[in-house]
Amino acid sequence: SYVVTQPPSVSVAPGQTAKITCGGNNIGRKSVHWFQKKPGQAPVLVVYDGSDRPSGIPERFSGSNSGNMATLTINRVEAGDEADFYCQLWHSNGDLPYVIFGGGTRLTVL
Amino acid sequence: EVQLVESGGGLVQPGGSVRLHCEASGSKFDSYRMIWVRQAPGKGLEWLSYIGTSGDIIYYADFLKGRFTISRDNAKNSVYLQMNSLTVEDTATYFCAREKLYDDGSGSGTWDLWGRGTLVSVSS
Repeated sequence: SYVVTQPPSVSVAPGQTAKITCGGNNIGRKSVHWFQKKPGQAPVLVVYDGSDRPSGIPERFSGSNSGNMATLTINRVEAGDEADFYCQLWHSNGDLPYVIFGGGTRLTVL
Repeated sequence: EVQLVESGGGLVQPGGSVRLHCEASGSKFDSYRMIWVRQAPGKGLEWLSYIGTSGDIIYYADFLKGRFTISRDNAKNSVYLQMNSLTVEDTATYFCAREKLYDDGSGSGTWDLWGRGTLVSVSS
């Protein structure tokens, strides 16, 4: 099976930059998507296809994906950004494809 | 406003069954591939199942071991998740989601419209 690794937590002060990583073997060859999840709310897609933003998502959110690491970057972090963030991708072992969510990273705004 | 609304959750005994329903407002429901995802208390997002636009292509997470069945009724703008042989480990909030389409109508492989979820509690 394909293993995806996210750090459990990232802390950053308001106004600073947060980087949340999603590691996997040759993950740069895959389309990686990122979700923000707040308690009691539905997940929100914040970046898709590695670096594209859905309409309505602030430009402060950006993504990159190369080699064995995909990264979600949040510039000028605000208190309202505090949430859990998940990467998502598809993988196939040659049989049936399946969806993978990373284990999630808790972003704490200090 | 297009939205997804899940229903069917509640308290169920171990070994029991429940059928979740996800209804979409708006048109062109049959253009969208759908998934079910769950989140157990204090845990992360967990993908469960995927269904293609006509219901002909279906995928499941391996760990389900045949206990869950996804289906859809495009005439009713609905997707369902039949859950059998439930255990306490199935206690979670269950979300349905609609695939994001590119401008040309092709699928992106990710999900940009989600319901608010329905809670399934498995307990005796």
